[in-house]
Amino acid sequence: SQQGEEDPQALSIQEGENATMNCSYKTSINNLQWYRQNSGRGLVHLILIRSNEREKHSGRLRVTLDTSKKSSSLLITASRAADTASYFCATVSGANSKLTFGKGITLSVRP
Amino acid sequence: DAGVIQSPRHEVTEMGQEVTLRCKPISGHNSLFWYRQTMMRGLELLIYFNNNVPIDDSGMPEDRFSAKMPNASFSTLKIQPSEPRDSAVYFCASSGGGALNTEAFFGQGTRLTVV
Repeated sequence: SQQGEEDPQALSIQEGENATMNCSYKTSINNLQWYRQNSGRGLVHLILIRSNEREKHSGRLRVTLDTSKKSSSLLITASRAADTASYFCATVSGANSKLTFGKGITLSVRP
Repeated sequence: DAGVIQSPRHEVTEMGQEVTLRCKPISGHNSLFWYRQTMMRGLELLIYFNNNVPIDDSGMPEDRFSAKMPNASFSTLKIQPSEPRDSAVYFCASSGGGALNTEAFFGQGTRLTVV
């Protein structure tokens, strides 16, 4: 079963614009991660935020976490055509560190 | 390191046949995950191992699916007998810290088609 639910399911923007993707989850977590998947490829880790952190940056990526609302957002600034991909949030929860994924968001960046 | 290695990359088999998917995790990683990805159901966690021991197999669809990890450098996912609804991309991923605070590294996946 999915732990995270991303929103929107699909997003289309112009190159140079910012892209914001949201993720909501159901149970308490140890950390939340965002991954990217290009068509036909495996997932690639982008960024991890721990449950006691509220915001994290990595290059053009900014992730926020609100544990009271059980939600996270991923912001990609100054998007590029090469950012076109599917983006997944994943949560790590439980004593056994189970890593579960949402269904993903399809991002299209128009050149 | 070559990353997580899965084989085969593509598998086409007839319904009823046995299918074995293979995974070599990154050396030194102690957690290994098997996922199945379809358009309808997204990315589903099937089973994961910590230190070669199965921790949670609640995602394994039914008894036709089985997974083993005989040592730290090798895991298999077997489907016997296979059915058309098993068609999907199967991913293996490994992590160095039980995914608690570290990222998971994914293989390129095995695209399984059961006809």
